[in-house]
Amino acid sequence: DAGITQSPRHKVTETGTPVTLRCHQTENHRYMYWYRQDPGHGLRLIHYSYGVKDTDKGEVSDGYSVSRSKTEDFLLTLESATSSQTSVYFCAISASGKNIQYFGAGTRLSVL
Amino acid sequence: KNEVEQSPQNLTAQEGEFITINCSYSVGISALHWLQQHPGGGIVSLFMLSSGKKKHGRLIATINIQEKHSSLHITASHPRDSAVYICAAETSGSRLTFGEGTQLTVNP
Repeated sequence: DAGITQSPRHKVTETGTPVTLRCHQTENHRYMYWYRQDPGHGLRLIHYSYGVKDTDKGEVSDGYSVSRSKTEDFLLTLESATSSQTSVYFCAISASGKNIQYFGAGTRLSVL
Repeated sequence: KNEVEQSPQNLTAQEGEFITINCSYSVGISALHWLQQHPGGGIVSLFMLSSGKKKHGRLIATINIQEKHSSLHITASHPRDSAVYICAAETSGSRLTFGEGTQLTVNP
């Protein structure tokens, strides 16, 4: 299994609070991705990174920010969580943008 | 209309049956991915293909670039194949656009 760790695995928070999800990899892969998965929508890209300090927006980036200060860590921040951000969040990595992606186990976030 | 459409949404089969899941896409792609999501939620990549056919064990993936269509076949299906199967189109900028998935249940 690819060395990808997401933390926390489960989180319950209140509307308006900041939340940070962490994705840590031990594979030294260049590309890292954050997705959310919701019923009826499948997986949707939030943000991705193609190197340290290099990030770009995905299709559902509003309300989210990311940071990548080290190759191994990609952080997803919800500055002020809303109930619409209740979802399962997956991190993925790939060696290049043209390789298969390896997924973390997911983080289940509930915003009450 | 979604850029990636899968059919069927749900599929129930008896053990041993040959299974086909279809994926159609409307965008230009550099590759087509098939993934499996286990009942526990974990996601694994099965195939990445840009032409022709790939085979791994009992799983076969095909793609027809001209028709913008891909199929995933499972031969001699088994209850452990029960999962959600997801296709994803790799477009420019290293992005994947995902279908909503096909829930497969294989009964013993």
